Amino acid sequence: QKEVEQDPGPLSVPEGAIVSLNCTYSNSAFQYFMWYRQYSRKGPELLMYTYSSGNKEDGRFTAQVDKSSKYISLFIRDSQPSDSATYLCAMTSSASKIIFGSGTRLSIRP
Amino acid sequence: EAGVTQFPSHSVIEKGQTVTLRCDPISGHDNLYWYRRVMGKEIKFLLHFVKESKQDESGMPNNRFLAERTGGTYSTLKVQPAELEDSGVYFCASSPDMLLQTQYFGPGTRLLVL
Repeated sequence: QKEVEQDPGPLSVPEGAIVSLNCTYSNSAFQYFMWYRQYSRKGPELLMYTYSSGNKEDGRFTAQVDKSSKYISLFIRDSQPSDSATYLCAMTSSASKIIFGSGTRLSIRP
Repeated sequence: EAGVTQFPSHSVIEKGQTVTLRCDPISGHDNLYWYRRVMGKEIKFLLHFVKESKQDESGMPNNRFLAERTGGTYSTLKVQPAELEDSGVYFCASSPDMLLQTQYFGPGTRLLVL
């Protein structure tokens, strides 16, 4: 069983829709939770970073962590075609070794 | 400010050959990380340098992989001899500290072993 499970998609939604991306994990020691965005032929770019449980909002993006359910989410409001990318969840219990999900391909239709 | 750069962007080699990947971190970043994504799998941690010292190399798959960071600046990752299963994208990241939110990734080197 993988430590981090993420639906690979692809996920296609119309422009302006709310997007919900999710990951589940099995290691209860994870304390730091991240979402990365990766455009084609580029490296991952950190979008959101959360420590422990709770919500964090940054503009159109909201990250949620539910440690009791071992479930994390990323919501994108008012989605734009420029949001089309692969979104990777990631988590760790240390400052060094990050465990990534496999990524969800998202496409926003104009 | 220049980002993390990696060279080459693509490499196609035959099984048994040697390949050396290079990563130039952002200037002043003491921490340098190597990751790889094998086809269809998730990105996996390989190792972490702090300056020229290996802080954590627990993700290195076997002794065919050798990473160096002489002088604490750029780093190389050598695969010798390359095997088919080594094909994938190799990412480098750097950060000025050990905070997770300050890791900046390079564009990756796409390696294909035939």
